[in-house]
Amino acid sequence: ETGVTQTPRHLVMGMTNKKSLKCEQHLGHNAMYWYKQSAKKPLELMFVYSLEERVENNSVPSRFSPECPNSSHLFLHLHTLQPEDSALYLCASSQDLPISSSYEQYFGPGTRLTVT
Amino acid sequence: GESVGLHLPTLSVQEGDNSIINCAYSNSASDYFIWYKQESGKGPQFIIDIRSNMDKRQGQRVTVLLNKTVKHLSLQIAATQPGDSAVYFCAENKSGGSYIPTFGRGTSLIVHP
Repeated sequence: ETGVTQTPRHLVMGMTNKKSLKCEQHLGHNAMYWYKQSAKKPLELMFVYSLEERVENNSVPSRFSPECPNSSHLFLHLHTLQPEDSALYLCASSQDLPISSSYEQYFGPGTRLTVT
Repeated sequence: GESVGLHLPTLSVQEGDNSIINCAYSNSASDYFIWYKQESGKGPQFIIDIRSNMDKRQGQRVTVLLNKTVKHLSLQIAATQPGDSAVYFCAENKSGGSYIPTFGRGTSLIVHP
């Protein structure tokens, strides 16, 4: 395994629900990421945290709210999602920023989200 | 706009054959490239990387070739095995720019026994 865990692995939620995705890394890394992976589309970066501070927010709708309480944990809070938000949500970590041969990203297995 | 893309969405090969997965990029300022493998039900996994000051790098059964003249990247897998069946992504990054690599759509490699 990669050392990055995500829970739950699968989630079905209605459009009015509130849920949270959790990511934990056991690698001692300082940077963590949320990606969205939709079918037949490239990985879309959503949020980047470095040392618990958000450093990038790629115009993600406010119905997605990240939280990084410490360098090992990352959450993605979800509320009033739309069916088009159904996707695989991947968490990743790296030793530090920027990405380089020394700082490869380690991905978790993802949470398969279905919005009904 | 500038993008990373793959020539073929699906590649089917016989076990034991060599596989070549191609990737085109358009950002001439990109100087670092990565190949990832994503198996079903798992997140992407780093395979190999290459910097723009190199044109070839070899790993275990994998070789990445970089042709900066035509902005082309390829991943060669020797003696392909059923366990190599996965989606392969290339990603590019520009040193000094956004520190997050840009990913391509992915090529699905299917290895037939």
